[in-house]
Amino acid sequence: DIVMTQTPLSSPVTLGQPASISCRSSQSLVHSDGTTYLSWLHQRPGQPPRLLIYKISNRFSGVPDRFSGSGAGTDFTLKISRVEAEDVGVYFCMQATQFPSTFGQGTRLEIK
Amino acid sequence: QVQLLESGGGVVHPGRSLRLSCAASRFTFSTYHMNWVRQAPGKGLEWVAAISYDGTKEYYADFVKGRFTISRDNSNNTLYLQMSSLSAEDTAVYYCARAMVTIRQLDYWGQGTLVTVSS
Repeated sequence: DIVMTQTPLSSPVTLGQPASISCRSSQSLVHSDGTTYLSWLHQRPGQPPRLLIYKISNRFSGVPDRFSGSGAGTDFTLKISRVEAEDVGVYFCMQATQFPSTFGQGTRLEIK
Repeated sequence: QVQLLESGGGVVHPGRSLRLSCAASRFTFSTYHMNWVRQAPGKGLEWVAAISYDGTKEYYADFVKGRFTISRDNSNNTLYLQMSSLSAEDTAVYYCARAMVTIRQLDYWGQGTLVTVSS
């Protein structure tokens, strides 16, 4: 199975400041079709996860442009340009390149 | 807006069975692959199973093989997860999730249903 490792596990940030979360996979996420199926999800307390970014850098419908994704191969990053109060919660990276789909441990974003 | 509504969760004794349902609406259910993902209390996300849009292909996590069965009824826009031989380790919120394009690329998630396995 592909192991997904996120850092940091907790990130206190100031409103209006940027935030960054890293995700590393134990093997390349490049699929045989040439696509890298790396997604980012956000989960607010008591809510289901919500898709933010798919295929490394594509923002999902309705996701604000302050969220961006980058990376390649085994190293990926989610960046929030200016953190807002509604961004608190846990962020997960997820690989959808091969079964079983696997997730990072989660990074808790909290406001200082 | 896509809607996925899970039901069927509850408290069940170890070794017993339970069937979860996920009612889909506001999209053409029969053309999308579907998945189940679970989350133990206070823990991370764990993929459970997936089924192709037409129900002909099923995929399972190793820890549920032989115990869980994923199925779907496209005429009623409903996804199912039949769970048997349940243990305390299966206690979790179970989410159904739609897949976009490829079977593993999840987009919309339901609200989840809590399964508690306890004597």
